Amino acid sequence: EVQLVESGGALVQPGGSLRLSCAASGFTFSSYTMTWVRQAPGKGLEWVAPISGSGDSAYYVDSVKGRFTISRDNSKNTLYLQMNSLRAEDTAVYYCAKGRRDGYKNDLDIWGRGTMVTVSS
Amino acid sequence: EIVLTQSPDTLSLSPGERATLSCRASQSVSSSYLAWYQQKPGQAPRLLIYGSSNRATGIPDRFSGSGSGTDFTLTISRLEPEDIAVYYCQQYASSPPLTFGGGTKVEIK
Repeated sequence: EVQLVESGGALVQPGGSLRLSCAASGFTFSSYTMTWVRQAPGKGLEWVAPISGSGDSAYYVDSVKGRFTISRDNSKNTLYLQMNSLRAEDTAVYYCAKGRRDGYKNDLDIWGRGTMVTVSS
Repeated sequence: EIVLTQSPDTLSLSPGERATLSCRASQSVSSSYLAWYQQKPGQAPRLLIYGSSNRATGIPDRFSGSGSGTDFTLTISRLEPEDIAVYYCQQYASSPPLTFGGGTKVEIK
């Protein structure tokens, strides 16, 4: 069964850091672009960052550039999101999602259940 | 950045009725790069349609997608109670950032 399981969400103070993880199973992880998508409470979906199957290409939405870093460990079938200098507006459920193929121009065919990040003092 | 505008914000229909959801792009989007997702309350999104008209695996045939250029449509031919959800379009044609529409909420009357 194809599955994505996120972890690492927590309550963190403004300016703090957090690392999210997404454990993948049931497919050849290194063959697909993986993407983080977030959803603020009561709001819509926001594309945050994808990373290519090999890990050598990544992109970011402007609001997180310089603060967030996406990475992956294909030997562990795990995707990461390092989040630094967190702001209140980063509060959201963070989903990891599998692309239907490699490359950032991708729809997202498998989603995890999400992990909640709350930035508040 | 391509902006996607979905309408209506909320659609209230009776079971068995036809639902028509619109997604309009601020500039032309290749029909190969437009997707629709369903998000039921408390759940993660699920891919319904990719490439503007291709149903994803396991999606019932009452869901269909169409459109080109700047205007795209998701149609639910006969609304079922389990179709209560928010529906989002997404374009993946442009340079980053890829973008989602604001969503259309479908309610059962």
